[in-house]
Amino acid sequence: EDQVTQSPEALRLQEGESSSLNCSYTVSGLRGLFWYRQDPGKGPEFLFTLYSAGEEKEKERLKATLTKKESFLHITAPKPEDSATYLCAVQAGNAGNMLTFGGGTRLMVKP
Amino acid sequence: EAGVAQSPRYKIIEKRQSVAFWCNPISGHATLYWYQQILGQGPKLLIQFQNNGVVDDSQLPKDRFSAERLKGVDSTLKIQPAKLEDSAVYLCASSLDLAGGRYSGNTIYFGEGSWLTVV
Repeated sequence: EDQVTQSPEALRLQEGESSSLNCSYTVSGLRGLFWYRQDPGKGPEFLFTLYSAGEEKEKERLKATLTKKESFLHITAPKPEDSATYLCAVQAGNAGNMLTFGGGTRLMVKP
Repeated sequence: EAGVAQSPRYKIIEKRQSVAFWCNPISGHATLYWYQQILGQGPKLLIQFQNNGVVDDSQLPKDRFSAERLKGVDSTLKIQPAKLEDSAVYLCASSLDLAGGRYSGNTIYFGEGSWLTVV
């Protein structure tokens, strides 16, 4: 059974204080690992897809990396508007396109 | 490009009543999904359609939940009768197709969700 665990559950940062969010996974044949951002009262917003170990993708202050067992979402010099829940999900090669999600990390960035 | 549309956005019902949610996916997207997200948790797949056929409904509580996707476009998710534990956000999502391989067509895009409170 595919499993995704995210840590920490919640993270409080000061504006400008860089940090990383962790996503550990077990999956039968990874097709892709997805990162989404979810604001309160909204649906998940797509950020990145990573397909193979060693791959990295960047968008503004966010950088996602992937190993064979985990993914990290690095946040450099965060701003208050980066406050949201960040969700990680895996797509297995033998499960069509369905995503298995972790529980998410709630990020709060204080000015 | 228009995103995934869902309605209603909010619904409050009493237990044992029924409710229906509607979804219109991104134009041209063959695959449509319904996810349930309980407060504080990640989304969980309920059912997946490709065009108007069911691909996976293994986690759909079929004694009370039903879903259909007539004509391979819009979809409706129904709950009857509702229980207190059905209080959640019901997220509709879509992707371009179900083809294998690693490309952007596998990306799943979500709607804003329909918030259900059962009292």
